[in-house]
Amino acid sequence: GQQVMQIPQYQHVQEGEDFTTYCNSSTTLSNIQWYKQRPGGHPVFLIQLVKSGEVKKQKRLTFQFGEAKKNSSLHITATQTTDVGTYFCAGRSSNFNKFYFGSGTKLNVKP
Amino acid sequence: NAGVTQTPKFQVLKTGQSMTLQCAQDMNHEYMSWYRQDPGMGLRLIHYSVGAGITDQGEVPNGYNVSRSTTEDFPLRLLSAAPSQTSVYFCASSAGGDEQFFGPGTRLTVL
Repeated sequence: GQQVMQIPQYQHVQEGEDFTTYCNSSTTLSNIQWYKQRPGGHPVFLIQLVKSGEVKKQKRLTFQFGEAKKNSSLHITATQTTDVGTYFCAGRSSNFNKFYFGSGTKLNVKP
Repeated sequence: NAGVTQTPKFQVLKTGQSMTLQCAQDMNHEYMSWYRQDPGMGLRLIHYSVGAGITDQGEVPNGYNVSRSTTEDFPLRLLSAAPSQTSVYFCASSAGGDEQFFGPGTRLTVL
């Protein structure tokens, strides 16, 4: 069945270091979304990528969608303590109106 | 706008009891969905709806029922609670399957 794998599961960085999380799907996706969840909170939408090879930037965050629309990455440059949380990707199947979430990457930033 | 609201915030049930988790949105979104979140497993889709009167199963539908009589409301019913259903439940809505807006969640414990 449909699966979206996400790595790493945890990442501990020193403030100012960079961070990257990766998602891979077993099948082609119609689009992929990224969410951030703070401890005790609910997922909050960050961005949606639709086109093959698409790259989008939000300040220190860079999002990429692979050419084959099966993988994606989120890169944070010069992390800050406010970046702490769990980052999830959510892939939308090209055949069905469903979203499949990755297991998330929990980011901890040490000041 | 209140966005997506969920009630209750916390619930403790005994095995075999039934209950309904409520979800409502005031954004006139057609697409609504229910997810459960367990440690290390991300969010898994339980059921979803693309409009009033239309529902479909997600990844983990067993033990749960839904209905969508209005655009605003999408309740989730547990007919006979089991300890395996202990989880955090999130309801989400979106316009056309794009950015998903999540509710604050319901933390359910089944003893």
